[in-house]
Amino acid sequence: KQEVTQIPAALSVPEGENLVLNCSFTDSAIYNLQWFRQDPGKGLTSLLLIQSSQREQTSGRLNASLDKSSGRSTLYIAASQPGDSATYLCAVGGRERDYKLSFGAGTTVTVRA
Amino acid sequence: NAGVTQTPKFQVLKTGQSMTLQCAQDMNHNSMYWYRQDPGMGLRLIYYSASEGTTDKGEVPNGYNVSRLNKREFSLRLESAAPSQTSVYFCASYPGTTFFPRGNSPLHFGNGTRLTVT
Repeated sequence: KQEVTQIPAALSVPEGENLVLNCSFTDSAIYNLQWFRQDPGKGLTSLLLIQSSQREQTSGRLNASLDKSSGRSTLYIAASQPGDSATYLCAVGGRERDYKLSFGAGTTVTVRA
Repeated sequence: NAGVTQTPKFQVLKTGQSMTLQCAQDMNHNSMYWYRQDPGMGLRLIYYSASEGTTDKGEVPNGYNVSRLNKREFSLRLESAAPSQTSVYFCASYPGTTFFPRGNSPLHFGNGTRLTVT
């Protein structure tokens, strides 16, 4: 069974600092990995999707890397802003038909002005 | 563009009561999903529907039933609510027809239904 862990559960940084969010998974036979943002009382918004054949994806200030062999993905957010305050979740898609999309519990980020 | 719409936003039930959570998407997506989110845990899949007329169990289906009414709508029913079903319920949709998203498109989520069972 795929286990997805995100540590730390919460993070507080001053505005302008770079954010590094970690996601680890136990089974390296994945199909893809997604990073989502969740604002309080809202649904999840997809930020980046990395296929298993890719090493990283970039979108604006966001960069996500994937290392399947070590079972890790990292989301980097450059020059953080108060508007980046949210919970960030990673989700891993397995390869087999019955394999569900496995979510981590998320890291809640607070960017202090 | 409304995306995925869930109703109601909030609901309080007494143990043993029944209710149906509604979900509709206007993106012409084939697959739809119901997840629950509990504090400190990742989202867990309850049921999914890869296409109109088909439904399958996910990780935590006990106590729930679903109906894929048409391509747009996917409802989740609690026949006899229990306190353990207190959670935030999310509906999601995806363009493809596979069990879980394999391609380049992400899942699209609704804003959730916050359910409390007392």
